[in-house]
Amino acid sequence: KAGVTQTPRYLIKTRGQQVTLSCSPISGHRSVSWYQQTPGQGLQFLFEYFSETQRNKGNFPGRFSGRQFSNSRSEMNVSTLELGDSALYLCATSPLGGSYEQYFGPGTRLTVT
Amino acid sequence: GENVEQHPSTLSVQEGDSAVIKCTYSDSASNYFPWYKQELGKRPQLIIDIRSNVGEKKDQRIAVTLNKTAKHFSLHITETQPEDSAVYFCAASVLLTGGGNKLTFGTGTQLKVEL
Repeated sequence: KAGVTQTPRYLIKTRGQQVTLSCSPISGHRSVSWYQQTPGQGLQFLFEYFSETQRNKGNFPGRFSGRQFSNSRSEMNVSTLELGDSALYLCATSPLGGSYEQYFGPGTRLTVT
Repeated sequence: GENVEQHPSTLSVQEGDSAVIKCTYSDSASNYFPWYKQELGKRPQLIIDIRSNVGEKKDQRIAVTLNKTAKHFSLHITETQPEDSAVYFCAASVLLTGGGNKLTFGTGTQLKVEL
């Protein structure tokens, strides 16, 4: 099976802009979770989607949003970018999404200038 | 919410020695504890996991132990090799009411295996 894929792999944006990141799960995986990884804060949970519905949410501001499509692909959107949003954004997918293994994609490196 | 503490932050061992990384969690409802290995510039890779109904799990040179009473779990790597050098993350997860899996990660341990 093909692994989790994320596009784009690298992005450079300016403060105030918005960005959309994409995650395609492993075939058969229906749960997609998003994480932000930074040197200072480590890996932090953003939200999880399952069957096109946001099922769980972390402690991030409303500028961070997402959605999931019927084929389980997920997108994450960040509006009004701030310098502090510079990070590696990782998605992780799992087949059932309940205390099951999560498999990470390669991530999207976002740099905000 | 859940809080996971991980120690040490850096660990240097000689090739062939054992390495132990320890984590504690705060939410007694946590029932799933994975460990991830992340090499520089790469994605976190699941290397082993344990569920709350099991006290120990082993996979070749890697083992994880769980003490539910004390709310801590540990990763043990035996006969370390240079390719074991990476950052290791522990995590804890609670099966949430509506379903779903929200991993709370430790801050990571940079393991360096020296020749």
